Amino acid sequence: GENVEQHPSTLSVQEGDSAVIKCTYSDSASNYFPWYKQELGKRPQLIIDIRSNVGEKKDQRIAVTLNKTAKHFSLHITETQPEDSAVYFCAADPGSGGGADGLTFGKGTHLIIQP
Amino acid sequence: DTAVSQTPKYLVTQMGNDKSIKCEQNLGHDTMYWYKQDSKKFLKIMFSYNNKELIINETVPNRFSPKSPDKAHLNLHINSLELGDSAVYFCASSQAQANQPQHFGDGTRLSIL
Repeated sequence: GENVEQHPSTLSVQEGDSAVIKCTYSDSASNYFPWYKQELGKRPQLIIDIRSNVGEKKDQRIAVTLNKTAKHFSLHITETQPEDSAVYFCAADPGSGGGADGLTFGKGTHLIIQP
Repeated sequence: DTAVSQTPKYLVTQMGNDKSIKCEQNLGHDTMYWYKQDSKKFLKIMFSYNNKELIINETVPNRFSPKSPDKAHLNLHINSLELGDSAVYFCASSQAQANQPQHFGDGTRLSIL
């Protein structure tokens, strides 16, 4: 089955700086890679996703890059703000069932924005 | 309007009891899921259903039995609760096609005494 590794487990950056979170996956058949933000006591919320036919996607201060050959993808947050503090999860969708696949999640990165 | 809603939000019960968690989505999605988030925040798929049919059962003890009365509802019944079942359980839904975003409910925090 799919295995997703995520680094770092904790990331502390100064407000206004950039943050980068990296993930690798094992199953070359995986073709959908969402990122979720989870604030304390809340549900995971989708912030951006990328499909395997695209190398990069951007949405305002958030961008995701995908390298299918190396089987890794990254989340980039620029101009970080206090409200970006949360746990971020990467995930991979094996795409084997034509739908109804469960996501395989990384173990999460606790992002701390220092004022 | 909550898109994916779960009840109850909190569930505190004793070992050995049987309990149910309900989930409903109003997004018109065909696929629904149950995930378990443990004390270390690790999220793991338990089940997925597509249009009321079980698709994925990820090595979950048979004390856990999902039931989908219709494609908008996916309930989770747990028999003979154990201490290790303490976790937050999230319901999610998505469109049936491959590679579609999954939308999560607010979670049910289950605590076993």
